[in-house]
Amino acid sequence: QKEVEQNSGPLSVPEGAIASLNCTYSDRVSQSFFWYRQYSGKSPELIMSIYSNGDKEDGRFTAQLNKASQYVSLLIRDSQPSDSATYLCAVSENTGNQFYFGTGTSLTVIP
Amino acid sequence: GAVVSQHPSWVICKSGTSVKIECRSLDFQATTMFWYRQFPKQSLMLMATSNEGSKATYEQGVEKDKFLINHASLTLSTLTVTSAHPEDSSFYICSGTPNTGELFFGEGSRLTVL
Repeated sequence: QKEVEQNSGPLSVPEGAIASLNCTYSDRVSQSFFWYRQYSGKSPELIMSIYSNGDKEDGRFTAQLNKASQYVSLLIRDSQPSDSATYLCAVSENTGNQFYFGTGTSLTVIP
Repeated sequence: GAVVSQHPSWVICKSGTSVKIECRSLDFQATTMFWYRQFPKQSLMLMATSNEGSKATYEQGVEKDKFLINHASLTLSTLTVTSAHPEDSSFYICSGTPNTGELFFGEGSRLTVL
């Protein structure tokens, strides 16, 4: 059984701070890694994809991947109240036929 | 990103009736689509993998005769909840993946069974 684990939180950070979200996965053949944001009552929205070890930056978001340690993280710089949501980590074997999701981390950014 | 559209967004039905939810990939062809269910404050649960032109693959514990999935074209998959009961009330979300390998979700359909 492939597992993707995240701390459920809640994680609270003050506005303007860096929010750090972590995810570990059990399957070494996983090749593609994703972060989704899900607002309450809405469906998940893809915010970052990462495929290679290292950092990938997109605006205020930075995804970090370490395949040797089997973890992927998401940093949100200059956190805003609008970033308050549940963040889902997902992994795939690159076939596009199966995706495995973590249970999500709830983030609250306090004004 | 790719666009997946679901309809209806909200549906309320009486117990014992059937409800159909449509999922369309608007700007890509989806050989495979995934159907998820999410109860309040819980994580996504994969219900089934829908394959164009063939039978869907259901996850363990999901009744295939109750949740009918049809994927007749590369842009349309449907989920029919048959003989719905209050315990079927949930948020149903479809998703598809274009050639990029990324998974994109529809807006979701909130079902309430009275």
